[in-house]
Amino acid sequence: DTAVSQTPKYLVTQMGNDKSIKCEQNLGHDTMYWYKQDSKKFLKIMFSYNNKELIINETVPNRFSPKSPDKAHLNLHINSLELGDSAVYFCASSPNTDTQYFGPGTRLTVL
Amino acid sequence: AQSVSQHNHHVILSEAASLELGCNYSYGGTVNLFWYVQYPGQHLQLLLKYFSGDPLVKGIKGFEAEFIKSKFSFNLRKPSVQWSDTAEYFCAVIRTDSWGKLQFGAGTQVVVTP
Repeated sequence: DTAVSQTPKYLVTQMGNDKSIKCEQNLGHDTMYWYKQDSKKFLKIMFSYNNKELIINETVPNRFSPKSPDKAHLNLHINSLELGDSAVYFCASSPNTDTQYFGPGTRLTVL
Repeated sequence: AQSVSQHNHHVILSEAASLELGCNYSYGGTVNLFWYVQYPGQHLQLLLKYFSGDPLVKGIKGFEAEFIKSKFSFNLRKPSVQWSDTAEYFCAVIRTDSWGKLQFGAGTQVVVTP
């Protein structure tokens, strides 16, 4: 059973386009997260939602907009993609501040 | 601001050698500590975690870590590595008052040669 899943796994797009990445967890966790892993493998939190409510927003450009339709889903929409947005985006979930479980990642390449 | 430092960026060692990866954090309050591993092309997996109690914690695949509060450290160890331990290792810290804001170190790439 897949615990935290993301789609798509790979995303290649042109600068200026708008794209979305979807995340779903079947662990029954209350909290979900988005992380960005850059080309040097550094991981940084972007957003966190608890029961569909935004609780962490880490100085991310407002071109990035997370949406949580229910507590099992946290999607990430990115407007006007830029070259610097190329990265691997990981979704994660946790039962509040306990261990976070990560999805397989979405490798975004902006050309 | 809190930071997490991993001492080594790259480590190369032979099979059966012992591994120790250093991790220090800068926050003085109560924290939960984690080590995650990322095998090539894969997602992060939890190796072990420390929340409270015995400061020596054992994880999966023969890994262990020791929390030394006075040194703000949480070093990862494995007595004898295998080729399959080749991966990126991340130390991570959550302040217990931070709503799950997991702060990662920069990672250590470990390469185990046969």
